[in-house]
Amino acid sequence: DQQVKQNSPSLSVQEGRISILNCDYTNSMFDYFLWYKKYPAEGPTFLISISSIKDKNEDGRFTVFLNKSAKHLSLHIVPSQPGDSAVYFCAASPGAQKLVFGQGTRLTINP
Amino acid sequence: SQTIHQWPATLVQPVGSPLSLECTVEGTSNPNLYWYRQAAGRGLQLLFYSVGIGQISSEVPQNLSASRPQDRQFILSSKKLLLSDSGFYLCAWSRPPATEAFFGQGTRLTVV
Repeated sequence: DQQVKQNSPSLSVQEGRISILNCDYTNSMFDYFLWYKKYPAEGPTFLISISSIKDKNEDGRFTVFLNKSAKHLSLHIVPSQPGDSAVYFCAASPGAQKLVFGQGTRLTINP
Repeated sequence: SQTIHQWPATLVQPVGSPLSLECTVEGTSNPNLYWYRQAAGRGLQLLFYSVGIGQISSEVPQNLSASRPQDRQFILSSKKLLLSDSGFYLCAWSRPPATEAFFGQGTRLTVV
């Protein structure tokens, strides 16, 4: 039972353009959502998060949007840079005890 | 500042052999601790989490077990490894009420 889904296994974007990564969830008990970035052979690093009481959170080039009615969140990266190439995971938490991750989306930024 | 140590970085083990992966966290107390696995081409699967010493919650029935003998130490074990246990194992910690989890560098386990 995949409670957090990232339906796009890969995404290719030109440098300087906007990257949009999407994530859907099924569990209504999730109240906190996060995005992580992962390079090969390394642990994921925390990027940005959003509480279910908000619909947008922005940090520099990264913005996360939450649509609770659609059970959908997205990560926008603008402008995209070559160093953004990595695998991005969305995660959700039902009350600060554990994180449930999606399958990940491999983002490639082309020069 | 807080740091998390996970070792070894890589491990090749024969089928049927035991396993012990260790994770320690420094610079914080009473963290939540987690073990995740990333199988090839798959997402991050939560295996175990612990909210305190001796308290272990198992998310997926499997060939593995976890223990938390000390506040900042989390151990992943197996008595007899299977080929399907191969993967990238990640330890993580969080400090409630914050939800953000911070990961170690991971252990690449290959069972042959």
